[in-house]
Amino acid sequence: DAKTTQPPSMDCAEGRAANLPCNHSTISGNEYVYWYRQIHSQGPQYIIHGLKNNETNEMASLIITEDRKSSTLILPHATLRDTAVYYCIVRASKTSYDKVIFGPGTSLSVIP
Amino acid sequence: KAGVTQTPRYLIKTRGQQVTLSCSPISGHRSVSWYQQTPGQGLQFLFEYFSETQRNKGNFPGRFSGRQFSNSRSEMNVSTLELGDSALYLCASSPDRFPYEQYFGPGTRLTVT
Repeated sequence: DAKTTQPPSMDCAEGRAANLPCNHSTISGNEYVYWYRQIHSQGPQYIIHGLKNNETNEMASLIITEDRKSSTLILPHATLRDTAVYYCIVRASKTSYDKVIFGPGTSLSVIP
Repeated sequence: KAGVTQTPRYLIKTRGQQVTLSCSPISGHRSVSWYQQTPGQGLQFLFEYFSETQRNKGNFPGRFSGRQFSNSRSEMNVSTLELGDSALYLCASSPDRFPYEQYFGPGTRLTVT
């Protein structure tokens, strides 16, 4: 079973920030939070990962709460091309071979 | 760098047949994972290979199998196809260093009739 829970769907106005929440209340100390997104009919795309500090890259920002039980992915200026299903997953940091379990994700619709 | 490639992109098979799907990872990546995606079950992990060894396996019947070659290319096979095997099969490759992020291919759309 997935270790994360996300709202099934969200809307965001084009040009506004999209804030996608994720709960991971059972996260272990050695587990990182990863975000991927899947645009219709394509394979998922890696976005960002983090442990406990806020992270930012050219695609998005990741805010992780101090207790690490939840996080928020922020797309600062959403465009129509950001319409996709967003997946939040947790996995251990020290191995590359643990199972990667995807939940149902959040379907984000960016509205013109 | 070229991305993950999967062949064929689309496939139609009949119940009872078998099928082999192919995945070429990003150059230098030795880890290859396979996933099945259906509208009802979402993305489900099938198995993961590293240096020709299966390191992890999901909860799928033995009809689903895979292998990896010395050049890291991977194949998965489904024998005795069932209607429920109709799905998008995704392959992902990962580098050998943290954060082990996965790079997915476009998938193979399998339809079983």
